[in-house]
Amino acid sequence: EAQVTQNPRYLITVTGKKLTVTCSQNMNHEYMSWYRQDPGLGLRQIYYSMNVEVTDKGDVPEGYKVSRKEKRNFPLILESPSPNQTSLYFCASSLKRQGETQYFGPGTRLLVL
Amino acid sequence: GEDVEQSLFLSVREGDSSVINCTYTDSSSTYLYWYKQEPGAGLQLLTYIFSNMDMKQDQRLTVLLNKKDKHLSLRIADTQTGDSAIYFCAESPPSGTYKYIFGTGTRLKVLA
Repeated sequence: EAQVTQNPRYLITVTGKKLTVTCSQNMNHEYMSWYRQDPGLGLRQIYYSMNVEVTDKGDVPEGYKVSRKEKRNFPLILESPSPNQTSLYFCASSLKRQGETQYFGPGTRLLVL
Repeated sequence: GEDVEQSLFLSVREGDSSVINCTYTDSSSTYLYWYKQEPGAGLQLLTYIFSNMDMKQDQRLTVLLNKKDKHLSLRIADTQTGDSAIYFCAESPPSGTYKYIFGTGTRLKVLA
């Protein structure tokens, strides 16, 4: 089944404790992206990748890192999480840059205390 | 920077039509999209429209695009309770990027 998987789905952590949210897709997509969703702010892009070893900043990259060492995986790293990074995070991927759907993962709900 | 605006809430009665509006800023956007998010789930593409079109119809969905006013709308005919969800519009990324801008989302509540 074609899908985007994220792990973990739920995470509670404390300020400053490094964490990684994994994202994997099995559709051989070149394009991948991370978003955060906050009430009243909609969906905002954190980082995106247009191919292996090619990543770039979205609208809200501060406090986040990503890597794209292989095509299927695009982990999101929070080196020193802070409470303002409490949010719902989505990974997405697509075959083309535009003109077709992005496939979204199920989301990771993060709470930073 | 770019900003895609939507009203936050819309409430309609079952069987009525719903119209969800979106204002975007990048006049060079090639495609404009509508995504649906059901409770506890990720987003799913509903439909999209190419920028040289004024209208696109797909079963109960009608998308209207007014490029002059940078206004996009989604009409859902015969709205059902299963249409209750958050609807996001999005504009396609600038050339050479994968930088998507989504709207704030409109929460549609369908009353039985």
